[in-house]
Amino acid sequence: QQQVKQSPQSLIVQKGGISIINCAYENTAFDYFPWYQQFPGKGPALLIAIRPDVSEKKEGRFTISFNKSAKQFSLHIMDSQPGDSATYFCAADPNTGFQKLVFGTGTRLLVSP
Amino acid sequence: DTGVSQDPRHKITKRGQNVTFRCDPISEHNRLYWYRQTLGQGPEFLTYFQNEAQLEKSRLLSDRFSAERPKGSFSTLEIQRTEQGDSAMYLCASSLGQGVTEAFFGQGTRLTVV
Repeated sequence: QQQVKQSPQSLIVQKGGISIINCAYENTAFDYFPWYQQFPGKGPALLIAIRPDVSEKKEGRFTISFNKSAKQFSLHIMDSQPGDSATYFCAADPNTGFQKLVFGTGTRLLVSP
Repeated sequence: DTGVSQDPRHKITKRGQNVTFRCDPISEHNRLYWYRQTLGQGPEFLTYFQNEAQLEKSRLLSDRFSAERPKGSFSTLEIQRTEQGDSAMYLCASSLGQGVTEAFFGQGTRLTVV
């Protein structure tokens, strides 16, 4: 019940295309859903986050879509660029009041030039 | 650089040896976290400090692991009698207090136990 399931495991998108990564959860206590971007040899960096009281949040080329009833959320990267090539992790916080994040298994994105 | 700093970046040790990692959080952050990330997986929560108090420990943190945060500033994570299964990236993160705020991660310490 504490798991966050992420798909796909890897993704290849052409430059300018839309990258879509999906996550699903079971624990209805989760109340904060961040997405992290990680480059090789670096720590994860927060991209965008959403709370379950909104269905969509957009920041630049990055959009989170959230479906509370289905317990699913997704990251859309519009106009994907080669510099977006990285591993992306969804995560969820089980309402602990601090960042006890449960991470998905990651999606390795490659944007081809 | 005012981000989260971890030292060393890489550590190779023989099985059975003890190792200690250091994390310096962002200066005004009173919350500090340790996560472990194995190859091809997402980070897993290990422990959490609010100032100098260790308030939460994962069951992943066996008796061989100990973390401290004296004076509520930097933190250390020690692994005693290392095992090959301890090989992983150990990530430190910090955040401001009160509620859920963004956690900033360091670059991690890559531990290899041979």
